[in-house]
Amino acid sequence: RKEVEQDPGPFNVPEGATVAFNCTYSNSASQSFFWYRQDCRKEPKLLMSVYSSGNEDGRFTAQLNRASQYISLLIRDSKLSDSATYLCVVNYGGSQGNLIFGKGTKLSVKP
Amino acid sequence: EAGVAQSPRYKIIEKRQSVAFWCNPISGHATLYWYQQILGQGPKLLIQFQNNGVVDDSQLPKDRFSAERLKGVDSTLKIQPAKLEDSAVYLCASSPYVPGTEAFFGQGTRLTVV
Repeated sequence: RKEVEQDPGPFNVPEGATVAFNCTYSNSASQSFFWYRQDCRKEPKLLMSVYSSGNEDGRFTAQLNRASQYISLLIRDSKLSDSATYLCVVNYGGSQGNLIFGKGTKLSVKP
Repeated sequence: EAGVAQSPRYKIIEKRQSVAFWCNPISGHATLYWYQQILGQGPKLLIQFQNNGVVDDSQLPKDRFSAERLKGVDSTLKIQPAKLEDSAVYLCASSPYVPGTEAFFGQGTRLTVV
């Protein structure tokens, strides 16, 4: 089965807070992992890819633990503009694999 | 560079009617996806094309949904007959035929079945 499970949220945090989202996936053969961001009534857009060694992009850090089939996203120094739904995405099945989305975690950053 | 184009943006139909959505992927992208996103949920994969061939349609309700990608470029998704539970946003996405690359989404078609 192709499943991607996420913290349901919502996460309500003050500006400047650090917040972490978690995601687990069911297929150990999965090869590619992503975090997408989706604003209200908009399409999903790529936030960052997730690499085995972990990767950082400004205030955002993504981690992958293949042994535990676990992905995380850390947002430091939250901004009001970070308010959105964060979608964990897993590529199942190699070069023609499907992109399977989690249900998303809603983040609301308050002043 | 032009993004993924979808039309129409909005559609309201009565149950049991039929409806079709159109998608033009980014030029050169071999992979095309159709997703259904119900309010409050993540996108659910309906069908994936590689050029003009179907890679995965395991979650497509084939008794009422159909999709095609003639000539490996544009794609249409059809629902016939529509049910109330088909109310959702239908998202088209495309990606290059390179393993591990992300998908780029169109703005979606918001379908309301009344």
